[in-house]
Amino acid sequence: DAGVIQSPRHEVTEMGQEVTLRCKPISGHDYLFWYRQTMMRGLELLIYFNNNVPIDDSGMPEDRFSAKMPNASFSTLKIQPSEPRDSAVYFCASSLAEVRGRKGYTFGSGTRLTVV
Amino acid sequence: QQQVKQSPQSLIVQKGGIPIINCAYENTAFDYFPWYQQFPGKGPALLIAIRPDVSEKKEGRFTISFNKSAKQFSLHIMDSQPGDSATYFCAATPMITGKLIFGQGTTLQVKP
Repeated sequence: DAGVIQSPRHEVTEMGQEVTLRCKPISGHDYLFWYRQTMMRGLELLIYFNNNVPIDDSGMPEDRFSAKMPNASFSTLKIQPSEPRDSAVYFCASSLAEVRGRKGYTFGSGTRLTVV
Repeated sequence: QQQVKQSPQSLIVQKGGIPIINCAYENTAFDYFPWYQQFPGKGPALLIAIRPDVSEKKEGRFTISFNKSAKQFSLHIMDSQPGDSATYFCAATPMITGKLIFGQGTTLQVKP
């Protein structure tokens, strides 16, 4: 398995522009998570899905952020409009509930977003 | 209730030393406590995990100690090596929800 695949790896955009981050979870996994990592706040959970349904979006910072999971193999995190304070590394992770206790959560390599 | 508090923020040890990283939680619904290791430019990777029905778990040079009554758990790295230099995160979740919450992270440097 190729693991959790995120794209792009790096994104530089101007303030006010729309940014879309993409994630392909491990095939067969039933949970998908979006995290944001910054030096100040560490790893923050933004939103997570179970079987493509959003379960908890309480970590989404504001209405500028939205996430979708149209099918089991694809998810997007969109920021519109983007602001410099959104600059961070965004990680996607997936897991399979029945083996979570043994195999944990698998993270992608992240998307480094810079908003100038 | 949702927080996991981790300390220290950074740690420097000599090769062969035993760094210890500590975490504390409040939410008694948490029943799965993993540790993740992250190298620069990479995503976190599962290192070792424990459930609250045991007080200690060892995997190779890594040991988790768990104190349920104190709501604390810690990671010990035996015979640390320069290759262990990384950022370590503790985390916790109620298995029934799967909502994984991370501590702030500890940057470990192992000097040769």
